Parts: sequence; structure tokens; C-alpha cells
Amino acid sequence: LAKTTQPISMDSYEGQEVNITCSHNNIATNDYITWYQQFPSQGPRFIIQGYKTKVTNEVASLFIPADRKSSTLSLPRVSLSDTAVYYCLVGAGAAGNKLTFGGGTRVLVKP
Amino acid sequence: GAVVSQHPSWVICKSGTSVKIECRSLDFQATTMFWYRQFPKQSLMLMATSNEGSKATYEQGVEKDKFLINHASLTLSTLTVTSAHPEDSSFYICSRRSGSGDTQYFGPGTRLTVL
Repeated sequence: LAKTTQPISMDSYEGQEVNITCSHNNIATNDYITWYQQFPSQGPRFIIQGYKTKVTNEVASLFIPADRKSSTLSLPRVSLSDTAVYYCLVGAGAAGNKLTFGGGTRVLVKP
Repeated sequence: GAVVSQHPSWVICKSGTSVKIECRSLDFQATTMFWYRQFPKQSLMLMATSNEGSKATYEQGVEKDKFLINHASLTLSTLTVTSAHPEDSSFYICSRRSGSGDTQYFGPGTRLTVL
């Protein structure tokens, strides 16, 4: 699985947009990019998955440039409850097979 | 609602005893399930892949005789930590693939504390 690099932590304030960029320089042609959210003492929760360009769902957007060597998770208008660790994973059918989690990004939303 | 459950949610045991953790797929028959371990402030680490009807596949460095995995049915996988020691204290999380195979659903985790 392609290795990923994310910032260790990010601070934000309620109502702001949070953008987390993940680098995956060795992504393979058939790899998908998947993001998970984890709250303390809970299992990770699937947020969004994409292959190229832009994907949007009810909770987030995922921006993937043409070279696919990075991706950016965008959380619009965060609230205190968005404080969590966010993991970027890359792999073929990335979430369906065994997953290799990187360090994740710890997002702290302040009032 | 939850599609993967774990039991117990937390357990405290004495050193040297064995502890069994159950992982259930609530709405889908899962031929494959995954077990992860997570230490405080660290990321998840895959321990093993549980296969219904066959032996589990363990990741490098994970002792198969210490972490016994049994995929008894298409909805149940169990992880038994044998002869537990304080260093086995951790957060254990299981998961299964979605029906389409492109995502994974994780259980709520089990907090194990070995005294």
C-alpha cells in the first residue's frame, strides 16, 4: 500500500473550513484514496473515498489533483464535534482490503 | 445504526489470564474480518485477517499463539488474548468489508486493561 504523509495536528475554530492535505507520492494506478474519522475510544468511521478530481458527500469534500500524488479533505464549517483524528489511506479498493493506517491528523476545533 | 458490534466494550483482567473479545457483523455475512490494535495516542495497527472456515492470517510480528482468532461463523469472529500481560493492554478494534467491498465498517472497540 502506498505510504501517506499527513500533518500531525491542526487547530481550527467553530464555523471555519478545515482542509487536511495528504501526500501519497507512490500511489498506484488502481489505488483509491479513503479518509476515516476517529473519535477517542471509538472505531474509525468512513468519511469519503475518491479516485480523481472531486468527490463531495453530506459531510466532506475530497479534492484530488490530476497527478493524484496528494489529496485534500475539506470539512466545511466545522463544529466542536468534529474534533477527532482523521486518517488518509491509499490502496486498491483501499477500504475493502487490509488497511495500513498512517499517523493521522489530530484536528482540534475550538469554540 | 451500527453494523459491527464488539463485546465487551471494556475488560480488566489479571496478568496471566485469557480474555476473549467478540466481533459481530450485524447485518451482513462476512467471510473476512480484520483485527486491529491501537495504543494510546497511536494509530491503528493491523494484527490479523480473520477468515471464515480457515486459519487467520497474522501480520508480521504478531504472535498467533498469543492472539487466537476464530471465525466461527459468517457473523462472528473472536480474538482471544492468552496469558495476558500488562503490555497487552490496548484498544482492540475489528472491522469488516462493506457489501460492495470498497469500504470497511469498524466496531466500537474493546478496551483491555491487564493488571
